[in-house]
Formats: sequence, structure tokens, C-alpha cells
Amino acid sequence: DTTVKQNPRYKLARVGKPVNLICSQTMNHDTMYWYQKKPNQAPKLLLFYYDKILNREADTFEKFQSSRPNNSFCSLYIGSAGLEYSAMYLCASSGTSAETLYFGSGTRLTVL
Amino acid sequence: GDQVEQSPSALSLHEGTGSALRCNFTTTMRAVQWFQQNSRGSLINLFYLASGTKENGRLKSTFNSKESYSTLHIRDAQLEDSGTYFCAATGYQNFYFGKGTSLTVIP
Repeated sequence: DTTVKQNPRYKLARVGKPVNLICSQTMNHDTMYWYQKKPNQAPKLLLFYYDKILNREADTFEKFQSSRPNNSFCSLYIGSAGLEYSAMYLCASSGTSAETLYFGSGTRLTVL
Repeated sequence: GDQVEQSPSALSLHEGTGSALRCNFTTTMRAVQWFQQNSRGSLINLFYLASGTKENGRLKSTFNSKESYSTLHIRDAQLEDSGTYFCAATGYQNFYFGKGTSLTVIP
């Protein structure tokens, strides 16, 4: 089963409120990624976990948090949502760092 | 600057014809992956290549690490091929995405 599952599929949030997105995979992949995708733009890497080690991109360092309590599960946390956070959030995993990426179906976040 | 330059940004094809999409890399990459974005915005894996050529139906992809490019060939284009195609390349851990090619197949 090469499925990456994301919940929820759609998320509505208010400005200034926290948001928590969830991703899971059962392929025993050691790396899990979070990307932000806006229309007509390339997917933007926000952060990734290699095993238990979190790597966050420099330009989004303070905006996003993540946790990975076990190999299968990874969350993306926004402490205080702003309008600019409205986007599709895509979770992906790979078996060894930078082997084939498998994407989930995404969570479409709308911040009002 | 961008590590992955994808071209063209937009492409129109008549049904039954074909063309190639290309990604050039400004640094050495050890693998490339091609995706099709579905109507919902998720990314569907088409190919992963560490070298050489792979073919699947009407799609064929090539990766040349030495010359720093990859191509995705589409032949006999069908209406359902319309959509946005992305390449993503990796040197070590991260995947760097191109900006995508928006493909429109015309009846």
C-alpha cells in the first residue's frame, strides 16, 4: 500500500487561530515532508522529518511547527493563522531520504 | 536562484500529437521525479529516475545527470492529459520543484 493519508481534506480557520493538519503513512518510510502549494506556483518545501530529526526551511522557520510522535504520523501546526496561509498543504513520504516521493491527497486550508 | 528551471511554462497540443517538457538543473542532481497535478491539486507520481529512460504507456522520461536535465515526452496526447506537470529533482535530501508546465490538449 503506497498510500499517504491526510486529514482533513478541507479546513476552514479564522485569522489568529491555530491550525493542526495530520498526515500518516504505513510504508515505514523514514522521511516525511510538508509542502505548501498555492495556485500557479511550485510546491514549496516547509519542513521535513528524517526519522526523529526535524529540518525546517529558513524562510518558514518561525511560521510552522511539526511533530512526529512515531514513524507513521506527522503533523503540521500553525500557531496563529494569517490570510497568507490559505493554500493546499501536501504531505509526502519517502523510503530513504530523496527516494521516490509519495504524496497524500492534500488538505486545502482557507483562512478567513 | 532557482535550482530547477522547467519549460515551457504553458503548452497547447492537438489531440493525437506529442511534445516534450524539459527541466534543466543548475546544480548536480542525483535523481528526478515527474508528477501530474490532478484536478484537486494533489500530485500523482509519474516517474522516478536516477538515470536513463523509463516509459509508461504514452509517456517517456529521460534523466541525464551529467548534462543536468530531464525530459518528459508525451505522445498521442489525449484530452485527459490536460493539467499541470511538475518535475522535482534531488541532490541529497530535499526535492526542488520546477514551476510547472500547464498542458492543454485541444480536440
